Amino acid sequence: KQEVTQIPAALSVPEGENLVLNCSFTDSAIYNLQWFRQDPGKGLTSLLLIQSSQREQTSGRLNASLDKSSGRSTLYIAASQPGDSATYLCAVKTLAGNMLTFGGGTRLMVKP
Amino acid sequence: ETGVTQTPRHLVMGMTNKKSLKCEQHLGHNAMYWYKQSAKKPLELMFVYNFKEQTENNSVPSRFSPECPNSSHLFLHLHTLQPEDSALYLCASSQTLSGSSYEQYFGPGTRLTVT
Repeated sequence: KQEVTQIPAALSVPEGENLVLNCSFTDSAIYNLQWFRQDPGKGLTSLLLIQSSQREQTSGRLNASLDKSSGRSTLYIAASQPGDSATYLCAVKTLAGNMLTFGGGTRLMVKP
Repeated sequence: ETGVTQTPRHLVMGMTNKKSLKCEQHLGHNAMYWYKQSAKKPLELMFVYNFKEQTENNSVPSRFSPECPNSSHLFLHLHTLQPEDSALYLCASSQTLSGSSYEQYFGPGTRLTVT
């Protein structure tokens, strides 16, 4: 059974800092990995989707990498802003089955 | 706006009530999902529908009853719930189920409180 872990569970940084969020998964037989953002009490917004054959994806200040063999992904946020404060979730779609398995999320606070 | 809407946004119900959650997607997708997000627990998949047919039931108690009349609408019928069922219920849709390139688009969720 796929298990997804995100470390740290919470992170507080000053504005302008570059930061890295970590995601690890136990079963490397995946279709893709997706990073989401969730604001308090709201739904999920997809940030980046990395196919299993890809190593990284970039969107603006965000860069996500994938090392499938080691079961790891990182989300790099450059020059963080207070508006980046949210919970960041990673999810993997395993080859077996049609389900996304989510990590517990990292709650990010960027202080002005 | 993701193209997925959910109503109501907030719901308070007693354990003996019957209520329904509604999800509608305007993206032309063929697959729809219900997820449950409880405090301090990872997001959990509940049900998956593909072309109106249920393809996954993730061991969900029968007090939750899904309905998918067409590819654009998904309902979750609730009856005799327990306080531990209080959570944020999220609906999502995707173009297809299989393949590596699909993304799931989520609605804003319904915050359910069972008293």
